[in-house]
Amino acid sequence: GAGVSQSPSNKVTEKGKDVELRCDPISGHTALYWYRQSLGQGLEFLIYFQGNSAPDKSGLPSDRFSAERTGGSVSTLTIQRTQQEDSAVYLCASSQRGQPDYHGYTFGSGTRLTVV
Amino acid sequence: QKEVEQNSGPLSVPEGAIASLNCTYSDRVSQSFFWYRQYSGKSPELIMSIYSNGDKEDGRFTAQLNKASQYVSLLIRDSQPSDSATYLCAVDPSNTGKLIFGQGTTLQVKP
Repeated sequence: GAGVSQSPSNKVTEKGKDVELRCDPISGHTALYWYRQSLGQGLEFLIYFQGNSAPDKSGLPSDRFSAERTGGSVSTLTIQRTQQEDSAVYLCASSQRGQPDYHGYTFGSGTRLTVV
Repeated sequence: QKEVEQNSGPLSVPEGAIASLNCTYSDRVSQSFFWYRQYSGKSPELIMSIYSNGDKEDGRFTAQLNKASQYVSLLIRDSQPSDSATYLCAVDPSNTGKLIFGQGTTLQVKP
């Protein structure tokens, strides 16, 4: 697609429920990243997929968080047993490694998650 | 110590002035540095990248890098109200493409 697409744009869930957030990167981009941004804070790295390599999961805050990327394209971030501290905007970005603008991540518009 | 540190601000400058935004980083081997702009309620967008010591200019923006002192700065000349946003400093400490972001500095340009 023309840009990075994320869904849903907003999600309100009850504490303890599981949620799935979806990211559809720019076609052909091999690198995909998940970050989260809490109110008034910078971006916190969560996980990074590069091609067929094993993902870098070093930023996942707990074992309640997991992510997968199917077919080198669409990615799903799953949060199990959500807690109120999980409330944040979850941003997905993609880029094409090897290109001059590799670090010019294209971000999606994000999913605003609210846990009540 | 955070890996990438910025003063959260707000930094307030009058229209037409030079805005100076600063960032320090902890990993001495970092090679790649970036400035992103984020308008309220929007996603970040890349405005500058810098890899070598010294200055890099792009229009009204100048990025400055000093690896010995481990700081990178962004100068915005002839600041405009449309420059009002949060500016995020980002570093790729391991040259993997994974960026570590600072907290961001909020810039307010007053007409």
